[in-house]
Amino acid sequence: KAGVTQTPRYLIKTRGQQVTLSCSPISGHRSVSWYQQTPGQGLQFLFEYFSETQRNKGNFPGRFSGRQFSNSRSEMNVSTLELGDSALYLCASSRDSLTYEQYFGPGTRLTVT
Amino acid sequence: DQQVKQNSPSLSVQEGRISILNCDYTNSMFDYFLWYKKYPAEGPTFLISISSIKDKNEDGRFTVFLNKSAKHLSLHIVPSQPGDSAVYFCAASGRNNAGNMLTFGGGTRLMVKP
Repeated sequence: KAGVTQTPRYLIKTRGQQVTLSCSPISGHRSVSWYQQTPGQGLQFLFEYFSETQRNKGNFPGRFSGRQFSNSRSEMNVSTLELGDSALYLCASSRDSLTYEQYFGPGTRLTVT
Repeated sequence: DQQVKQNSPSLSVQEGRISILNCDYTNSMFDYFLWYKKYPAEGPTFLISISSIKDKNEDGRFTVFLNKSAKHLSLHIVPSQPGDSAVYFCAASGRNNAGNMLTFGGGTRLMVKP
């Protein structure tokens, strides 16, 4: 079974631009979560989607948003990029809303200049 | 406030010996705990988990121990192998979360020397 895939793997953007990251979960998994990893703050939860609905949101500004499609694929969007948004963005999938174990993709490395 | 803490940023162990990685948490609503391993330029890989109704869970060379009264868990790797060298994260979740939100510790870098 294929793992979680994320595209693109690397991205360089300029301050003020916006960016969209994509995630395809493991086949059959219906819950998708997003995390941000930075050297200073570690791994922090952004949001989680299940059945196209956002069920939980971390402590991030409204510039961070996401959505999930009917095939469980998910996208996250960051608008008006700031230098501090440079990070590794990780997507994780789990079988359903009752399963704690999450399986992570390789991440998208975003650099904001 | 850090609800999940890994107080040792690094740990060095000789190949074949036991590696013990520790994790403390403060939120008493956490009822499920997980350990992940992360290599550079890769996403975290799920290793082992434990529910709060248990105090021990084993999977091959990996054993997780949970001490609820101390709000402490540990991951034991026996015997340690050079391929185990990576950053290890503990994570916690709880029934107070509407979704599958994991709260992570800061990680411990394990180095297993041949």
